Order: sequence, then C-alpha cells, then structure tokens
Amino acid sequence: DTAVSQTPKYLVTQMGNDKSIKCEQNLGHDTMYWYKQDSKKFLKIMFSYNNKELIINETVPNRFSPKSPDKAHLNLHINSLELGDSAVYFCASSQGTGGVEPQHFGDGTRLSIL
Amino acid sequence: SQQGEEDPQALSIQEGENATMNCSYKTSINNLQWYRQNSGRGLVHLILIRSNEREKHSGRLRVTLDTSKKSSSLLITASRAADTASYFCAHTGTASKLTFGTGTRLQVTL
Repeated sequence: DTAVSQTPKYLVTQMGNDKSIKCEQNLGHDTMYWYKQDSKKFLKIMFSYNNKELIINETVPNRFSPKSPDKAHLNLHINSLELGDSAVYFCASSQGTGGVEPQHFGDGTRLSIL
Repeated sequence: SQQGEEDPQALSIQEGENATMNCSYKTSINNLQWYRQNSGRGLVHLILIRSNEREKHSGRLRVTLDTSKKSSSLLITASRAADTASYFCAHTGTASKLTFGTGTRLQVTL
C-alpha cells in the first residue's frame, strides 16, 4: 500500500547516458513534485505538476525533462548525465498546490554517476 | 538564498530527554511545516503551523512559531531511540512552494 512509489531505488550509470525515474502516487492527490537532495542533505524543488500541468519549473538544466501522463504519475527523464547530477531524487505529492498542504514523499532514487 | 537555517546542525541526547530544534527563515510565510527523514528514506510530514498560529501540539511534538522573529522551534518530549532521524523545517511564502531548511540530525541513544 505504498502511497508514493519511485523506481528504481538505485541507479548507477556512466556520464553521458540518458536515464528515467518513474513515480506513482495512489493518494488521489492533484499535485506532484520532484526534489533533489544533495550530499549535504539540502533539499530543493525542481518541478511541480498540478493535474498534468507544469506549475513550478525551477532553475534546472534543460537536460531534465519531467513528464506527467496523468495526475497519478510524474516521471523524470535526464539526458547526458553529468557527475554533478549524482544525488537522491525524491518524488512527492500533495492535495492542492502552493505548499499549503502536507507533502507525501517517496523513498527516493539514489543516482550515482561514474 | 531563501533557504531556512536550522540550529543545531546535530544534536545527541539520551532516551527520555527532550530535544529542541530551531528554524529561522527570511521571508514572509503562509505556513511552516516540519518533516522527519529517517536514514535512507523519504521525508515524513510531522506537523503544519499556519502563520496566524503561535503554537501547535501533536502527541510528543510541540511546535512554536514567532513570525516577528521569523523563527520556529520543534520540541520532542520524552525522546525515544526511534526518534533518531534528520528533522527539516519547510516554509511556504508568496512563491507557492516549499523551501526547506538545512536540517538537524538528531541522535537518541539508549
């Protein structure tokens, strides 16, 4: 009964490759997010979608492209991976937008670039 | 940077003691939330306090908010080993997104 699930949990790949991370939520929430947590545990929002529409797009390289096929899914595709992309990526969801409701997080995808 | 700051960065206490973590932020806020992150896991929402509230309780948690000082505190009473985790504050302002603090690593020993 996982509320927010991400796959894969671990991703080890080489520089220059393209990879995707998938996220699904079964909470019936309208809004989904991608966050990046660096090695110092600093967590920063990357993107936010509400009912499949992009509403937050932070200063993220355009090598990162989110896609929301429906409001229960938000995937993240990363092109031409770089060393600096190594981090933990978290998907989250909430009812409503604007950060006024609690967010529910997945357990993260640990991306390591060799 | 609009990132919040938390203090202390790390805290080690014995089981049964109280743990207090502080959070400061720089902008006007709509609400402030506290999250817990266990090692290797995602963040779990603990409590939300709105900008017009000064104190909120949930079980062993007590959160205060002082908007004049742009600060909040999280008190965990009668701590347990299972409370060992990182704790983050996060605030929402006019930008309609959560901005997280730097986190406090809490270690509760037996």
